[in-house]
Amino acid sequence: EVQLLESGGGLVQPGGSLRLSCAASGFTFSSYAMSWVRQAPGKGLEWVSAISGSGGSTYYADFVKGRFTVSRDNSKNTLYLQMNSLRAEDTAVYYCAKETNIAARPVDYWGQGTLVTVSS
Amino acid sequence: SYELTQPPSVSVSPGQTASITCSGDKLGDKYACWYQQKPGQSPVLVLYQDNKRPSGIPERFSGSNSGNTATLTISGTQAMDEADYYCQAWDSSTGVFGGGTKLTVL
Repeated sequence: EVQLLESGGGLVQPGGSLRLSCAASGFTFSSYAMSWVRQAPGKGLEWVSAISGSGGSTYYADFVKGRFTVSRDNSKNTLYLQMNSLRAEDTAVYYCAKETNIAARPVDYWGQGTLVTVSS
Repeated sequence: SYELTQPPSVSVSPGQTASITCSGDKLGDKYACWYQQKPGQSPVLVLYQDNKRPSGIPERFSGSNSGNTATLTISGTQAMDEADYYCQAWDSSTGVFGGGTKLTVL
């Protein structure tokens, strides 16, 4: 059974940093690209970042470029999102998502999400 | 940046057909997928590659994508289908979601 368990969310002040983790199990982690998707309270889904199975390719939404860094440790089956220079508008539930290997890489599994609150 | 536009809300009577649209520039040249999200839950993939259903998704969910518009169609809509629906596509290796449509079954 595929499981994705996010952790690391919490309350942080504007300008601060936070690192999210996503522990994966139930599939060959290194064989799949992974994404981070966020959802602000009461708002829609917003794609944040993605990383290839090897970790060699990374992709970011414009609004996080230069502030967030996605990475993975395939030996630990863990995905990370390092978030720096956080802003109030980064407040959201952050989901870890497993992409499929087919064209357009739809997400077939989602974590339960971890809440990040940026506030003074 | 690429944008996908959905109607904020759609209403349908039980047993009727609901259609939710997703518009984007030359969206028909890309693959669209659709996610269903119920309150307090993580999203669930209901259609991928425009019109394919993942295992476990009822046949009443179907889709199309042509020109600038992708459409999710739910035939014989049931109360359990009441949820938020999001379309999603990729543009230059960047993921894009539509703003979401709240489907009300009443």
